[in-house]
Amino acid sequence: EDQVTQSPEALRLQEGESSSLNCSYTVSGLRGLFWYRQDPGKGPEFLFTLYSAGEEKEKERLKATLTKKESFLHITAPKPEDSATYLCAVSSAGANSKLTFGKGITLSVRP
Amino acid sequence: SQTIHQWPATLVQPVGSPLSLECTVEGTSNPNLYWYRQAAGRGLQLLFYSIGIGQISSEVPQNLSASRPQDRQFILSSKKLLLSDSGFYLCAWSVLGSNQPQHFGDGTRLSIL
Repeated sequence: EDQVTQSPEALRLQEGESSSLNCSYTVSGLRGLFWYRQDPGKGPEFLFTLYSAGEEKEKERLKATLTKKESFLHITAPKPEDSATYLCAVSSAGANSKLTFGKGITLSVRP
Repeated sequence: SQTIHQWPATLVQPVGSPLSLECTVEGTSNPNLYWYRQAAGRGLQLLFYSIGIGQISSEVPQNLSASRPQDRQFILSSKKLLLSDSGFYLCAWSVLGSNQPQHFGDGTRLSIL
């Protein structure tokens, strides 16, 4: 059974204070690892897909990286508008297009 | 570009009443469709998914059912709501393939009184 664990559960940063969010996973045959951003009362918004260890993707202040056991979402010089819940999900070879999600990390950035 | 619509955005229903939540996708053909429920602190729970018209797979036995009457329409239903059915319901779509991301609607907040 695929498993995804995200840590920490919540993170409070000062504006401009860079940090990283962790997503650890256990899957049988990773097909893709996905990062989403979710604002309160809204559906998750797709950010990145990573397919193999060593791959990196960037978007504005966000950079996602992948190893064989975990992924990091690095946030450089965050702004208050980066405050949201960040979800990680995996798809595996036997999952038939289904995703397994972590519980999310709630990020608060103070001005 | 592809878009996904869910309605209503919020719904308050009495216990024992029926339910129908609708989701439609535009700009793509033959999408995979999904219904999730999100509870605070518990993450996203997959309820149903569909790879085609009339093809529904249930992930969790419960008081709900799903139907796909048209290629880009997915409906979540219940004949009699329970208090435990309260939650945030999300519809999502993806293209075929296990390495493809899912794209979500803005959800329905369902409160059972």
